[in-house]
Amino acid sequence: GENVEQHPSTLSVQEGDSAVIKCTYSDSASNYFPWYKQELGKRPQLIIDIRSNVGEKKDQRIAVTLNKTAKHFSLHITETQPEDSAVYFCAARNQAGTALIFGKGTTLSVSS
Amino acid sequence: GAVVSQHPSWVICKSGTSVKIECRSLDFQATTMFWYRQFPKQSLMLMATSNEGSKATYEQGVEKDKFLINHASLTLSTLTVTSAHPEDSSFYICSAMQQGPNQPQHFGDGTRLSIL
Repeated sequence: GENVEQHPSTLSVQEGDSAVIKCTYSDSASNYFPWYKQELGKRPQLIIDIRSNVGEKKDQRIAVTLNKTAKHFSLHITETQPEDSAVYFCAARNQAGTALIFGKGTTLSVSS
Repeated sequence: GAVVSQHPSWVICKSGTSVKIECRSLDFQATTMFWYRQFPKQSLMLMATSNEGSKATYEQGVEKDKFLINHASLTLSTLTVTSAHPEDSSFYICSAMQQGPNQPQHFGDGTRLSIL
């Protein structure tokens, strides 16, 4: 089955800096890669996603890149703010109707 | 947008009790629902996939007789933790998905289960 690896497990940045979180997946048939932000005790919130037919997607301060050949994808957050502090999860899905498989998560801390 | 309601949000009960958690899709028909478990400071681990009208598919290591899943309608799936013990204490989250290609998974708010 699918296996998703995520790095780093913790990331501390200063307000205004950029943050990058990287994930790799094992199943070459995976074609959907979302990123979730989870605050303590709450549901994961979808912040951005990318499908295998594109290499990059951007939404304001957040961008995701995908390298299908290398089977890795990354989340980029620019101009970080304290409210960006949370746990971020990457995930992968290999076909419509199957469940998302999550990475282990990255705890992002943005200090002002 | 699509809303998934999960109930209860928090349960505290004694060891040996069975606990039922409900997951409802409020404004769409969910042909597939997923149940995840999340221990503190860990990731969401898939427990099982349920399709309306058929038996759930459990992930390796998840006891189907321990975690009973019923998906009797297109808007409701239930997870029953039978004879719960302290090691079953966790955050349980459901998600629901509509039929069709490229459909996103919509998550419920989760249920925090504490077994004393």
